[in-house]
Amino acid sequence: EPEVTQTPSHQVTQMGQEVILRCVPISNHLYFYWYRQILGQKVEFLVSFYNNEISEKSEIFDDQFSVERPDGSNFTLKIRSTKLEDSAMYFCASRLGGPTGFFGPGTRLTVL
Amino acid sequence: KNEVEQSPQNLTAQEGEFITINCSYSVGISALHWLQQHPGGGIVSLFMLSSGKKKHGRLIATKNIQEKHSSLHITASHPRDSAVYICAVDRIQGAQKLVFGQGTRLTINP
Repeated sequence: EPEVTQTPSHQVTQMGQEVILRCVPISNHLYFYWYRQILGQKVEFLVSFYNNEISEKSEIFDDQFSVERPDGSNFTLKIRSTKLEDSAMYFCASRLGGPTGFFGPGTRLTVL
Repeated sequence: KNEVEQSPQNLTAQEGEFITINCSYSVGISALHWLQQHPGGGIVSLFMLSSGKKKHGRLIATKNIQEKHSSLHITASHPRDSAVYICAVDRIQGAQKLVFGQGTRLTINP
């Protein structure tokens, strides 16, 4: 069964450093998403991506965040200068055209 | 006010009990999802509902469009069912991003 994969599973970084979280969506999917979950809180939408551009972003997704689909298979989330409050689980999701149903296993980001 | 509300927030039961988790939403949606999150953090999709009822093994999900309400039932609960169960909705407006409830932490004791 096709699945969304994410790397790394756990990333530890120092405050102020740049991190790139990687996702490989299901190959024929067209819509891509990043969500995050701060420990003990609910999952929140960050950004959606379609046709090589951002289709919607939340208030959380400020200038420190960017997304890219550099090679037609990977979908990356970059945080330019990490803050302590960026520590969270980051989930990638993809869909073909129907409702979202495919999540990656998540990357746990710890900012020290 | 949260667009998706779940109840209860925490639920502890004995093995074998019938479990019900509720979800109410206040926005127009195209679909509703029930997700399972284990302690490691990964999210697994259990059901996607447009309307009506779906069953998969011991899990049953129902959705009432008029009342904007859904329930997840677990029959003959088992300790391995212990997890956080999350209700999420696909909004009609916007980029069809999911809006999540806060989750229900279920603990099944042997």
